Amino acid sequence: QVQLEQSGAEVKKPGASVKVSCKTSGYRFTDYYIQWVRQAPGQGPEWMGWINPHSGGTNSAQRFQGRITMTRDTSISSVYMELSRLRSDDTAVYYCARGTIINDYWGQGTMVTVSS
Amino acid sequence: QSALTQPASVSGSPGQSITISCTGTSSDIADYDYVSWYQQHPGKAPRLMIYEVTNRPSGVSTRFSGSKSGNTASLTISGLQAEDEADYYCSSFTSSSTLAFGGGTKVTVL
Repeated sequence: QVQLEQSGAEVKKPGASVKVSCKTSGYRFTDYYIQWVRQAPGQGPEWMGWINPHSGGTNSAQRFQGRITMTRDTSISSVYMELSRLRSDDTAVYYCARGTIINDYWGQGTMVTVSS
Repeated sequence: QSALTQPASVSGSPGQSITISCTGTSSDIADYDYVSWYQQHPGKAPRLMIYEVTNRPSGVSTRFSGSKSGNTASLTISGLQAEDEADYYCSSFTSSSTLAFGGGTKVTVL
């Protein structure tokens, strides 16, 4: 069965970086894009960007450009999202999800807390 | 502020039908048939309920249906059940090759 398993919760100080991993299984890794979505407490989801696991190509929301880096490791069917220069308003649950327009499988979410 | 506009809350009694709207622009919903709907229970990841405006993934109840008119998409839940109480979010592909989400609608079963 398809599974996306994310890394554990993180607590970071303002200005630091965080790297969240998403390990996939149950399907051919290179057949589906992976996208990253975050959800601040009590808010709707916010699209951050996606990565093509086949080529490594990425596309990200303008508001994160310069701060977000998405990578993949095809040998272990995993993708990574690194967000730098963290601010308090980056506190949110970060999700990886399979697909771009249609997200049929989601990771369990990774809580990132930014606090001094 | 979310890119797509949804009502904050909708409620109904068991067995009734409710409809949730999702309003966008000519750069997203109006221009593409790539509208999805997600259900989210507290502390859980979103679950895909409708994709490409009207299609249901395998395993989703036929009580859930989607439609679109102009720049507004809608999700209808028929025969409302207690387990349908959750937050619902719409999303749409955009002309910038990005994904826009709605702010979410809390469905309450009275």
